Amino acid sequence: EAGVAQSPRYKIIEKRQSVAFWCNPISGHATLYWYQQILGQGPKLLIQFQNNGVVDDSQLPKDRFSAERLKGVDSTLKIQPAKLEDSAVYLCASVRGDTQYFGPGTRLTVL
Amino acid sequence: GEDVEQSLFLSVREGDSSVINCTYTDSSSTYLYWYKQEPGAGLQLLTYIFSNMDMKQDQRLTVLLNKKDKHLSLRIADTQTGDSAIYFCAESYYNTDKLIFGTGTRLQVFP
Repeated sequence: EAGVAQSPRYKIIEKRQSVAFWCNPISGHATLYWYQQILGQGPKLLIQFQNNGVVDDSQLPKDRFSAERLKGVDSTLKIQPAKLEDSAVYLCASVRGDTQYFGPGTRLTVL
Repeated sequence: GEDVEQSLFLSVREGDSSVINCTYTDSSSTYLYWYKQEPGAGLQLLTYIFSNMDMKQDQRLTVLLNKKDKHLSLRIADTQTGDSAIYFCAESYYNTDKLIFGTGTRLQVFP
């Protein structure tokens, strides 16, 4: 089966600009996660979706980050406006059973 | 709060065994996982262990779990240069499917 797809793979923006990331999970996976992985650290959960509903967004900086999964399939994560400390890899994962399957991530550099 | 700790680096000679260690805090975790991350790639699930098990073996991989000490280890037998990567342990958070990741251990295999 096809894996989790993410785009773009790389993005460079200046601070205060906006950026959006896209994720297409594995077909049939109802649960989707977005993680932020800062260089030298493990991934940290940002938001969890179950179908098109948000299950947990307690770790999402809602003043600048937003995410949606309108039809319960693809998801987008947006940052507006970006800060220097948002430079990281943004990972999307979808779930089957007790296993999370990760996409390749989007590496964001904020200058 | 929850915290998963790993040593940062491990260097081994090709053909030797590697042992990567992890300590976790949530005694209610149902599963504990090992993920591998190669440069520029997402996280690849290597193996996982159910919390009522002490050991799990999967080809060259052996996972040991000491619940009393909240210690998890991953042993890679006959380590190859292709095993060079960052290895993350992760625990499920308070018996949910949310994952708390460690900081990662960079394994370097030299000839």
